[in-house]
Amino acid sequence: GESVGLHLPTLSVQEGDNSIINCAYSNSASDYFIWYKQESGKGPQFIIDIRSNMDKRQGQRVTVLLNKTVKHLSLQIAATQPGDSAVYFCAEQGYGQNFVFGPGTRLSVLP
Amino acid sequence: DSGVTQTPKHLITATGQRVTLRCSPRSGDLSVYWYQQSLDQGLQFLIQYYNGEERAKGNILERFSAQQFPDLHSELNLSSLELGDSALYFCASSVGGEEEKLFFGSGTQLSVL
Repeated sequence: GESVGLHLPTLSVQEGDNSIINCAYSNSASDYFIWYKQESGKGPQFIIDIRSNMDKRQGQRVTVLLNKTVKHLSLQIAATQPGDSAVYFCAEQGYGQNFVFGPGTRLSVLP
Repeated sequence: DSGVTQTPKHLITATGQRVTLRCSPRSGDLSVYWYQQSLDQGLQFLIQYYNGEERAKGNILERFSAQQFPDLHSELNLSSLELGDSALYFCASSVGGEEEKLFFGSGTQLSVL
């Protein structure tokens, strides 16, 4: 199928290294945030979420950090694997509002 | 597998035509969302339905319309198609409350020639 976002910012990391993907969000009233992973030809897949009353949340090999002061969200992937190669989107939501998705970052894992 | 089913996977049509995209949400989910994703843009919100009623509208063109049926499946109708309508169209579902993650289908790739 078509590639998503041919001109997206790309992060290239060596297999086994840690990856950090960043996202600047726009709405200071946003109180719920999600990271999605989208592989070629597939729909976005939920990775991890965080609410605004937290600044860090950990999952399996992934950690999301939230800095509300500077409206910044990051996704850390430990021991990056080839299967992590994908486009990663952050999404923000304010109460009563719909999600707003960021433009995405392409993660490329090098052997 | 997210549990959200979209059909068809691919659709090729000509300018001026009309197409219908179909979505079945996850079992138990009352909200259905439609998103458009083109090559140079991220996910653009089109419209949301909750339990059969329109709940929110985004950047949806007047040529586009949607509905959610009593069995909760949803259809997105695109008419008078233009070349620029070529894109991936995603359906997502959620239970319907606040601060809930969306589960996405695998999308319909629409090509307007």
